[in-house]
Amino acid sequence: DAGVIQSPRHEVTEMGQEVTLRCKPISGHDYLFWYRQTMMRGLELLIYFNNNVPIDDSGMPEDRFSAKMPNASFSTLKIQPSEPRDSAVYFCASRGQGTNTGELFFGEGSRLTVL
Amino acid sequence: AQSVTQLGSHVSVSEGALVLLRCNYSSSVPPYLFWYVQYPNQGLQLLLKYTTGATLVKGINGFEAEFMKSETSFHLTKPSAHMSDAAEYFCAVDSNYQLIWGAGTKLIIKP
Repeated sequence: DAGVIQSPRHEVTEMGQEVTLRCKPISGHDYLFWYRQTMMRGLELLIYFNNNVPIDDSGMPEDRFSAKMPNASFSTLKIQPSEPRDSAVYFCASRGQGTNTGELFFGEGSRLTVL
Repeated sequence: AQSVTQLGSHVSVSEGALVLLRCNYSSSVPPYLFWYVQYPNQGLQLLLKYTTGATLVKGINGFEAEFMKSETSFHLTKPSAHMSDAAEYFCAVDSNYQLIWGAGTKLIIKP
C-alpha cells in the first residue's frame, strides 16, 4: 500500500502569495493530522481530522491558515497570505481507527520557503 | 500537564559503540510511549512503542527501549551503532489521547 503522499515536496514563494499543500492519507485511515516542523519550535500539531471532520484546530497559528478535508482521500492546508515566518516543513500524517493515538504514518513533508 | 524531555539535542557515538538516547516524561495517567526516527529529508517513522505488558520493547533496526515507571523514563538503546543510524529521534507520549512530542535528539555516528 502506498504511504501518505504529500505535494509539493518543495515550494518557494514570495511573501503575500497563497500556498496550498496537499495530502493523500493511507487508504482506510480515519484520522489525518497536519504538523509543522521548524528548528526553533520543533514539531507542532496544527490541526487534525477524524472522518473528514476537523476535531482540533487549536494549533493553527492564525487566520491566514486554513485546512480542509473534502473527502477521505484528500486534504489541503492553505496559507493566505504567506509570510517568511511560515517557512517550515509541513507534514501530513494519518492513522487508522482503533490504533493507538501515537501510531502515526507520516508523509515525506512539504518544505515551504517564503521569501 | 504532560511533558516529554529528551536529554541532549545532539548525541555523538562511534560506529560500533552503544547508543543511548534519553527520554523522560511526566504524565498523570499510565502513558503509552513511542519512539520515532526521522532520516534526513524524510518524514517520521515509528521505531517502537510501549502500551502495556512487557516493559522492554524491541523495535526496528535493532533498537529497543525500556519503560521504567519508577524513573518515568523510556530510554532508547542499541548495542552497536551503524552509520545508517544517523538520524533524528523523537520520543512521544500518548496520555489522555493527546500525543506530546519531545524536542528530538540528533544522533551523529563517527566512523
